[in-house]
Amino acid sequence: NAGVMQNPRHLVRRRGQEARLRCSPMKGHSHVYWYRQLPEEGLKFMVYLQKENIIDESGMPKERFSAEFPKEGPSILRIQQVVRGDSAAYFCASSPRVEGNTIYFGEGSWLTVV
Amino acid sequence: RKEVEQDPGPFNVPEGATVAFNCTYSNSASQSFFWYRQDCRKEPKLLMSVYSSGNEDGRFTAQLNRASQYISLLIRDSKLSDSATYLCVVSPNSGGSNYKLTFGKGTLLTVNP
Repeated sequence: NAGVMQNPRHLVRRRGQEARLRCSPMKGHSHVYWYRQLPEEGLKFMVYLQKENIIDESGMPKERFSAEFPKEGPSILRIQQVVRGDSAAYFCASSPRVEGNTIYFGEGSWLTVV
Repeated sequence: RKEVEQDPGPFNVPEGATVAFNCTYSNSASQSFFWYRQDCRKEPKLLMSVYSSGNEDGRFTAQLNRASQYISLLIRDSKLSDSATYLCVVSPNSGGSNYKLTFGKGTLLTVNP
């Protein structure tokens, strides 16, 4: 059973470009979560999605960041007009249900903005 | 005050040593507590949950003191493979909805031969 799959694993973008990070949850998991880990910082919750719905986006920056989890295909975290401060590791996690379950993290996508 | 604070580290210990990590949390409403480990440029992986009664898993012992809002992790007879960053994690929810985890910055442990 494949784990949470994220791609790309490493992404380099110039300031002002767009970054798209993809996440395929574990088989049978319908709940997806995105976390960000800035350099020398702890992981911080960004957003929780179910298929076609954003359930909790309380950790998302108000501008330039968006997330979706379409009916078909992976979840996408999109960062528009990237700035140097967006350089971080972005981790996706999934669970089969939201109650009483451990969430399982993917290996992360490392974004570098130059 | 940070929501979750850990020993800044790093810790360098010889194989076989006992090492203890400490963590405090600020949100008294926190209900669930965990220790994760994270290898360099890898994802965090759940090491163990932490219960008020304390719990042990092989060489690892976790303790929780709700009154002091303090969590600890003890590793006995450390192995080279224990080298990693140890993350203290809390959640406001008990049992359910453990998706909104609050992570500490982590403490780096290096076990030397």
